[in-house]
Amino acid sequence: DTGVSQDPRHKITKRGQNVTFRCDPISEHNRLYWYRQTLGQGPEFLTYFQNEAQLEKSRLLSDRFSAERPKGSFSTLEIQRTEQGDSAMYLCASSRSVNEQFFGPGTRLTVL
Amino acid sequence: GENVEQHPSTLSVQEGDSAVIKCTYSDSASNYFPWYKQELGKRPQLIIDIRSNVGEKKDQRIAVTLNKTAKHFSLHITETQPEDSAVYFCAASKSGGGNKLTFGTGTQLKVEL
Repeated sequence: DTGVSQDPRHKITKRGQNVTFRCDPISEHNRLYWYRQTLGQGPEFLTYFQNEAQLEKSRLLSDRFSAERPKGSFSTLEIQRTEQGDSAMYLCASSRSVNEQFFGPGTRLTVL
Repeated sequence: GENVEQHPSTLSVQEGDSAVIKCTYSDSASNYFPWYKQELGKRPQLIIDIRSNVGEKKDQRIAVTLNKTAKHFSLHITETQPEDSAVYFCAASKSGGGNKLTFGTGTQLKVEL
């Protein structure tokens, strides 16, 4: 499968715990995006990378959130001290420059 | 920032009928408008897109129109089939903004037999 992949697909955690998600983009795609989607809503932009550089972060991304793309390939999104309001589907997308974005299957986070 | 509004929130049609979903955007600098289809529990899938230098684009039963002056764009699905049932999202982005997508709130399309 040469599409965008994400791991894990589901994560259940207790409030206050840290969680980390991984995204593997389509190879040769230099842009990688993170979005968050809550039930009944469209995805909301969180942050994006061009190669290894993080070029923009949304105001939605509080200090508890951090994202990396160390070698310009896969990316990780970490949430520290999780809160119940962090429960959502976290989607990753990749694109080649200004072209179409292709989404991964998402990681569904449930914070108890 | 960009704001995208989408209507209707739910749409029910009979199989074989046409369906139209409309979106408006606020940022006149937006120049790329994709449409995504999302089935329950699955990833959003790009079904068609249009750039601001084009007024209309068609792909088999799906078409998108763009009115830059009015800042609105629409998705048209003809000869609907049960497998078209899903949530459809419109989105907008601009080249200078890293192409981050701003999505509408979605339209739940139900195609009834």
